[in-house]
Amino acid sequence: KAGVTQTPRYLIKTRGQQVTLSCSPISGHRSVSWYQQTPGQGLQFLFEYFSETQRNKGNFPGRFSGRQFSNSRSEMNVSTLELGDSALYLCASSLAVNSYNEQFFGPGTRLTVL
Amino acid sequence: GNSVTQMEGPVTLSEEAFLTINCTYTATGYPSLFWYVQYPGEGLQLLLKATKADDKGSNKGFEATYRKETTSFHLEKGSVQVSDSAVYFCASLNTGFQKLVFGTGTRLLVSP
Repeated sequence: KAGVTQTPRYLIKTRGQQVTLSCSPISGHRSVSWYQQTPGQGLQFLFEYFSETQRNKGNFPGRFSGRQFSNSRSEMNVSTLELGDSALYLCASSLAVNSYNEQFFGPGTRLTVL
Repeated sequence: GNSVTQMEGPVTLSEEAFLTINCTYTATGYPSLFWYVQYPGEGLQLLLKATKADDKGSNKGFEATYRKETTSFHLEKGSVQVSDSAVYFCASLNTGFQKLVFGTGTRLLVSP
């Protein structure tokens, strides 16, 4: 069974630009969550989508947005990039049938903002 | 809200030494608890989980027991290998929400 895939793996952007990251979940998984990982703040939850609906949202500004398609693939978008947005962005998928269904992570997209 | 506290690293051990990485949590209700491992340049891999009090999760020689009375989920391994060198994250997941709350991570360095 294929794992979670994320594209692209690496991105370099400049301040003020916008970026779109993509995540394909494990087949059959309907929940996709996004996390930001930085050396200073650690791993922080961005948002979660289930059946094309955002169910949970973390404490990030409105520049961070996402969506999910009918095939469960998800994208996240960051507009007006700032230097502090440089991070590893991780996507995770889950069956989300029960509260203890584990999340499986992709390799991440490393975003560098110059 | 929920929080997870891990011991600061790095933890430096010789091969075949005993490993303990402490993890405590605060939560409303009874969360599920997880240990994830991250190797350099990679995403997170689920190492083990426990979904209720007194559950023991185990995988690849690693173990952790869900202790409700001490709100802890300490990771242990009897004999570490060089290949275990990585960053270990403790995490909690509350009922009904797909939002993992992570500890700060503990770097483990194992020397031959």
